[in-house]
Amino acid sequence: LAKTTQPISMDSYEGQEVNITCSHNNIATNDYITWYQQFPSQGPRFIIQGYKTKVTNEVASLFIPADRKSSTLSLPRVSLSDTAVYYCLVGDAGGYNKLIFGAGTRLAVHP
Amino acid sequence: SQTIHQWPATLVQPVGSPLSLECTVEGTSNPNLYWYRQAAGRGLQLLFYSVGIGQISSEVPQNLSASRPQDRQFILSSKKLLLSDSGFYLCAWGTGTGNTGELFFGEGSRLTVL
Repeated sequence: LAKTTQPISMDSYEGQEVNITCSHNNIATNDYITWYQQFPSQGPRFIIQGYKTKVTNEVASLFIPADRKSSTLSLPRVSLSDTAVYYCLVGDAGGYNKLIFGAGTRLAVHP
Repeated sequence: SQTIHQWPATLVQPVGSPLSLECTVEGTSNPNLYWYRQAAGRGLQLLFYSVGIGQISSEVPQNLSASRPQDRQFILSSKKLLLSDSGFYLCAWGTGTGNTGELFFGEGSRLTVL
């Protein structure tokens, strides 16, 4: 089961771009990389998912290098409401979607 | 559209008392179902997951148990709660196909054991 490593916390200011990098050295061939956002007292919410190269949606971009051993979540022009915990997950190669959440990255956006 | 509900939202229980948290999913069939627990200020710990009725896999040995009596119903139980069982419990469902990994979470149940 692929393990992920990401920074414990990050600080940013409104309007800046934030990049959170996650390491997953043991990622399996069939695994996807998924990022979630969690606000206090709520369940995590899906942000973006990718397999390789770059994926972009209306809220974020996900950059995955060719070796897939890491990934970077990019949040453009963050606002105070982006203050949350961000989790990087790698899918279980067994096909049961047994997803393990790490400690996540606590992002604080300041005025 | 698919929805997931879990209840109760909040409960305070004495040590040694039983527990039952219920989760139901609507709008999808044969989902993978999950119970996670989150201690204050910590990440999510996977407790149980189920790929079908009556099929339960436990990730952490403890005094909790899970059951899936119907396709879209997932129940978390305990016969005797411990102080360490306090936390935020989250039920989630997934599509169950491949490793795309998207999970949809319920509103959570905050348990305080005194």
